Amino acid sequence: EVQLLESGGGLAQPGGSLRLSCSGSGFSFGTYAIAWLRQAPGKGLEWVSVIGSSGVDTHYVDSVRGRFTISRDNSRNMVYLEMNGLRVDETAVYYCARRLPEDAMDVRGQGTAVTVSS
Amino acid sequence: DVRMNQSPSALSASIGDRVTITCRASQSIHIYVAWYQQKPGKPPKLLINRASILESGAPSRFSGSGSGTEFTLTISSLQADDSATYYCLQYGEYSWTFGQGTRVDIK
Repeated sequence: EVQLLESGGGLAQPGGSLRLSCSGSGFSFGTYAIAWLRQAPGKGLEWVSVIGSSGVDTHYVDSVRGRFTISRDNSRNMVYLEMNGLRVDETAVYYCARRLPEDAMDVRGQGTAVTVSS
Repeated sequence: DVRMNQSPSALSASIGDRVTITCRASQSIHIYVAWYQQKPGKPPKLLINRASILESGAPSRFSGSGSGTEFTLTISSLQADDSATYYCLQYGEYSWTFGQGTRVDIK
């Protein structure tokens, strides 16, 4: 069974940092691009970032570029999202998802909650 | 960035009704649109890929159509279990962007 498990969420102060992790199992992890998306309380979905299968190609939504860094360790079936300079409006549930080959994201995890507050 | 204008923002329909949700893209994105269903407290579930390909396990009453800038999700015969919020996503151009969502309620 394909599974993705997010972790690392919690409380951060404005301007602070958190590192989210996404662990994959049940599929050939190293052959899939992995993405992060988020959902603020009561709001819609927002795509945040994606990393290619080898880790070379990365893309970000404009609002996080320069503050967030996506990376992966295929030997551990892990993808990370390093978040710096966090803002209050980035309080959200963060989901990781695998990108189907040349296609859309398939969300399999339950998400990890990030709260940015003083 | 490509903007996805999704309509309506909410609708209420009866069991058995045909329901249509539309997304209009600010520029052509060919067929690179997906549709998701999300229920409260749950992650979004992929229903439709590449505008019209029904994902494995998704009920056949769901269908997608469109290309270029206009896309449609249709529920042919609304069921109680379809009460949810639906989102379109364009992944033809970075940054990928979602529509604002459509809440579907059962009358």
